[in-house]
Amino acid sequence: DTAVSQTPKYLVTQMGNDKSIKCEQNLGHDTMYWYKQDSKKFLKIMFSYNNKELIINETVPNRFSPKSPDKAHLNLHINSLELGDSAVYFCASSQQRGAVGSYGYTFGSGTRLTVV
Amino acid sequence: TQLLEQSPQFLSIQEGENLTVYCNSSSVFSSLQWYRQEPGEGPVLLVTVVTGGEVKKLKRLTFQFGDARKDSSLHITAAQPGDTGLYLCAGTTGTASKLTFGTGTRLQVTL
Repeated sequence: DTAVSQTPKYLVTQMGNDKSIKCEQNLGHDTMYWYKQDSKKFLKIMFSYNNKELIINETVPNRFSPKSPDKAHLNLHINSLELGDSAVYFCASSQQRGAVGSYGYTFGSGTRLTVV
Repeated sequence: TQLLEQSPQFLSIQEGENLTVYCNSSSVFSSLQWYRQEPGEGPVLLVTVVTGGEVKKLKRLTFQFGDARKDSSLHITAAQPGDTGLYLCAGTTGTASKLTFGTGTRLQVTL
C-alpha cells in the first residue's frame, strides 16, 4: 500500500530515556515533516526535510534530532525525555514544499508518546 | 506567527442538520487546505483552495476561500454520523515551506 508509515504506534517510556520514532513514505514525495499534536489537538510543525536537507527547524529543544538517511525516510530521535514531551507525533510528506497551489500533505497515523 | 482561529471549537448536531465551520486569520495565505482527522489516525486532506473567492464542492461539503485570502469556511449539508471528526484548516504563505494548522473544530453528528 502506498502510504506514510511510522513506528511505533504507541511508546511508553520513563523520564530521562532516549527513544526514536521511524517514518517511511513510498509516495515518491520530496519533502517530509514532523508535527507534534498536543492534548488540545493543536498540530505544530517541528521539522521539515527536502531531499535529505533540513529546511525547517522550529523552536524545538535540541534534545530532538531528526535524521533523514534518504528522501523516503525521516526519523526522530529524542534524548532525555521529559514529561512535557508526551504528545502524538505525526510524520507527513508532500510532493513539494509549500508554494502557490501547494500540494496536500499525507500524514502517518501517529505515534502516541507517553513519558512517565 | 500566523494564527488560524477556527470556530466553533466544538459542534454537536443531529443527523440531517447543516453546519458551517469558520477559519480566520489576519495573515494572507497563498493556499488553504482543509483536513479531517479521526481518532487514532492522522489528518486526511479534503481540499485545497488557492484563489481568493474560490468555491469547491466535495459531495455535501462546500469550501470557500475568502476574497482577501485571509479566511475560509466549510459548510456541510445534511450532516451524517460519518462526518464526525476533527476538522482542521491549514495554510501556506508565499514561498514558505510549512503548513500552519488552525485550532480545530470537533464535530459530532448523532442519529
